[in-house]
Amino acid sequence: NAGVTQTPKFRILKIGQSMTLQCTQDMNHNYMYWYRQDPGMGLKLIYYSVGAGITDKGEVPNGYNVSRSTTEDFPLRLELAAPSQTSVYFCASRPRGPEQYFGPGTRLTVT
Amino acid sequence: GIQVEQSPPDLILQEGANSTLRCNFSDSVNNLQWFHQNPWGQLINLFYIPSGTKQNGRLSATTVATERYSLLYISSSQTTDSGVYFCAVVPQAGTALIFGKGTTLSVSS
Repeated sequence: NAGVTQTPKFRILKIGQSMTLQCTQDMNHNYMYWYRQDPGMGLKLIYYSVGAGITDKGEVPNGYNVSRSTTEDFPLRLELAAPSQTSVYFCASRPRGPEQYFGPGTRLTVT
Repeated sequence: GIQVEQSPPDLILQEGANSTLRCNFSDSVNNLQWFHQNPWGQLINLFYIPSGTKQNGRLSATTVATERYSLLYISSSQTTDSGVYFCAVVPQAGTALIFGKGTTLSVSS
């Protein structure tokens, strides 16, 4: 199993541009999450999904959108990128049990 | 919401020293995990430990759920132990992890 994979690893966006961060897991996990990590801080939840077709907001959802059309994929969409969205983005998944598994992260800079 | 506090915020050690990192949380939890974020930014699962004690090589962890704290022990530290250690919990009414601010560990040779 590859576990949780994320693409791209790095990206620089100009203010106002849009992009999609990809997240895929091959463990058949129902639950998937998107977190962001700002410098010197712990991670904060953006959105999560409990299964295909079901998504819900986390602590910091503004400026982001998600979809979950398959069990494997959970893309995060940034519309109209802003400097405040400069961060490292982590995707995670878990089975019905509670332990979460994280991807390697995407480092995004908005200038 | 639930608060997760980690101490100390920073720790500097010589190789071979032992250390204890602490995580306090303000409410009952379903899940508690310890992570190591290495200097390349990767998050590595260390322990899933909502209660009890676990050991994995030089690392061990203890969670006393009734007193709402967890401890991570690192023995005979090595330079590769450097990085940030995060404690994260899932509240009983929640599904996502709530992270502390982390303890930054620097181990020098």
